[in-house]
Amino acid sequence: KNEVEQSPQNLTAQEGEFITINCSYSVGISALHWLQQHPGGGIVSLFMLSSGKKKHGRLIATINIQEKHSSLHITASHPRDSAVYICAVRDTDKLIFGTGTRLQVFP
Amino acid sequence: GAGVSQSPSNKVTEKGKDVELRCDPISGHTALYWYRQSLGQGLEFLIYFQGNSAPDKSGLPSDRFSAERTGGSVSTLTIQRTQQEDSAVYLCASSSARGARPNYGYTFGSGTRLTVV
Repeated sequence: KNEVEQSPQNLTAQEGEFITINCSYSVGISALHWLQQHPGGGIVSLFMLSSGKKKHGRLIATINIQEKHSSLHITASHPRDSAVYICAVRDTDKLIFGTGTRLQVFP
Repeated sequence: GAGVSQSPSNKVTEKGKDVELRCDPISGHTALYWYRQSLGQGLEFLIYFQGNSAPDKSGLPSDRFSAERTGGSVSTLTIQRTQQEDSAVYLCASSSARGARPNYGYTFGSGTRLTVV
């Protein structure tokens, strides 16, 4: 069993839909990251969380430390949101990654 | 520089040859990480540097892989006698702090796509 599990693996949506991507982990962590990887391979760090909730534009990330679960929400989704979204947890000095959620948003 | 710079962006090499991948982190970032993403796979940790030393090399897949960092800045990842299974995107990230403090982030480079033929 992977230490970091994401669901769903693949997600398609119509423009404007509300999207939720889930991440569950089984190890103790100091922080959790949400990353975005575009088709060219570049990775952008979206959020780093250790508790509660963060919001940036149309993106919202939440974490429940007791339940070892985090969610990434995208409101009013847009085709440019199409990417792979990766959850990663920090174990001391390194990241442990989920396998990613491939999101496609159609106009 | 403004971001983490990796070179080359693409590398095609013949099986059995050695390759060197370079990472130039953000100036002043003391922590540097190498990750690998094989085709269809998730990202995996390779090695972590704090300054010039590597406290954690646990992710290096074999003794054909080595990495060094000089001057607390540029790092090179060397793969000797490359094999086809080494084909992957090799990503570098840097960070300004170390340890388990949660309030620092990573900046990723755009990666080197290595293809071993």
